[in-house]
Amino acid sequence: AQTVTQSQPEMSVQEAETVTLSCTYDTSESNYYLFWYKQPPSRQMILVIRQEAYKQQNATENRFSVNFQKAAKSFSLKISDSQLGDTAMYFCALSSARQLTFGSGTQLTVLP
Amino acid sequence: DGGITQSPKYLFRKEGQNVTLSCEQNLNHDAMYWYRQDPGQGLRLIYYSQIVNDFQKGDIAEGYSVSREKKESFPLTVTSAQKNPTAFYLCASSIQLMNTEAFFGQGTRLTVV
Repeated sequence: AQTVTQSQPEMSVQEAETVTLSCTYDTSESNYYLFWYKQPPSRQMILVIRQEAYKQQNATENRFSVNFQKAAKSFSLKISDSQLGDTAMYFCALSSARQLTFGSGTQLTVLP
Repeated sequence: DGGITQSPKYLFRKEGQNVTLSCEQNLNHDAMYWYRQDPGQGLRLIYYSQIVNDFQKGDIAEGYSVSREKKESFPLTVTSAQKNPTAFYLCASSIQLMNTEAFFGQGTRLTVV
């Protein structure tokens, strides 16, 4: 079975600062994808960023970037220049040949 | 606009009653999923379907049933056998079952009264 672990239930960051959310995973598959989803108070799940496991280069989407360490099975999300609209629950997810599995989430609060 | 539509947004059910949650997508996706979300537990997979007329149990299928008669539709029935049905339910779809991101509906909040 594949697992996704987010060890930080809650985090906070000052507006304009940088914050990193942690995620570790375990899978026996060699081909898989990793994702970070954002769930704001509206509860709509929004894809933030994706990383293909076969790519060594870390994915970047504007202020969002990942640190993908395949050997360590680690997939952290860095948010730069945090904005109030970044306040949300963030989920790490793993998609492989077996299924799409989510972590338990990290509630991020951006403070003014 | 392409997307996934879940209805209703809020649903109340009396104990002992079955209730069906609707999920429709016009993204032409083959795979569809139902997740349950409880506070502090993330998303747990109830059922998933790779193609029409085929579906598989997820991690917490007991007390739930689904059908996939059309590519666009994947309704979830919460039966009276589900002991703790009050939760937030999310439907999702993806182009294929494997190695791809999922797109989500806006969810249905089910409350048993």
